[in-house]
Amino acid sequence: EAGVTQSPTHLIKTRGQQATLRCSPISGHTSVYWYQQALGLGLQFLLWYDEGEERNRGNFPPRFSGRQFPNYSSELNVNALELEDSALYLCASSLEGLAGRSSYNEQFFGPGTRLTVL
Amino acid sequence: GNSVTQMEGPVTLSEEAFLTINCTYTATGYPSLFWYVQYPGEGLQLLLKATKADDKGSNKGFEATYRKETTSFHLEKGSVQVSDSAVYFCALRGNRDDKIIFGKGTRLHILP
Repeated sequence: EAGVTQSPTHLIKTRGQQATLRCSPISGHTSVYWYQQALGLGLQFLLWYDEGEERNRGNFPPRFSGRQFPNYSSELNVNALELEDSALYLCASSLEGLAGRSSYNEQFFGPGTRLTVL
Repeated sequence: GNSVTQMEGPVTLSEEAFLTINCTYTATGYPSLFWYVQYPGEGLQLLLKATKADDKGSNKGFEATYRKETTSFHLEKGSVQVSDSAVYFCALRGNRDDKIIFGKGTRLHILP
C-alpha cells in the first residue's frame, strides 16, 4: 500500500512569490493535515482538512491557505512568500471524520516538501 | 493551551549506552502521548504511543510510560545502536482535539 506522497520534493521561490505544495493521502484516508517544520521552531500545526472542508487551522497568517479535493488530495498555498517561510512542510493523513473523534486515528506522515525562499 | 517540553539536544552517546530523553507536557484532560522519529532525509514515523495513564508504549527496544502524576512521557532504550541516530519528537493530542502538538525535537547521535 502506498504511503502519503508529497510533491515537489524541493521548491525554490523568491520573496513575494506564491508556492503550491501538494499531498496525496493514503487510500481510504479522508483527513489531511499540514505541518511546518522550520529550523529552530520544531513542528507546528498548520491546517486540517476532512471531507473537503477546513476543520481547524493553527496560528498562521491568512496567506497560508489550502484546499482538499474530492479525491481527498490536498494543496497548501503560501502567498506573498517571506524569507521565514523557508521550512520543511509535512503532510499527514488519517482515517478521520467527525464521527470518529472518540478514538485515536494515527496520522501517517509524508516525506515533506522543502521550501526555500530566497 | 496544550504544550510539550522535551530536553534540548543534541545528545551524543556511544553504542550500547542507555538512553533517556525527557519529555513533559501540559494539557487539560487526558491526552494521548506519542514519540515520533525522523531519520536523516526521511519523514516522521510514529515510534510509540500511549493513550491513558500508566500505559507503556514500546517499539524497536524503545519504551515510554505515560505518567499522569508527573505529566511525563520519557523515552528510554537500554542499549542504543548507531542506526538509532535520528531526531526524536515527543508529542500529544488532546482528547477533544485533532492536531498534534510537538516538542521541538531532540537530535540523537550514536557513535560506534
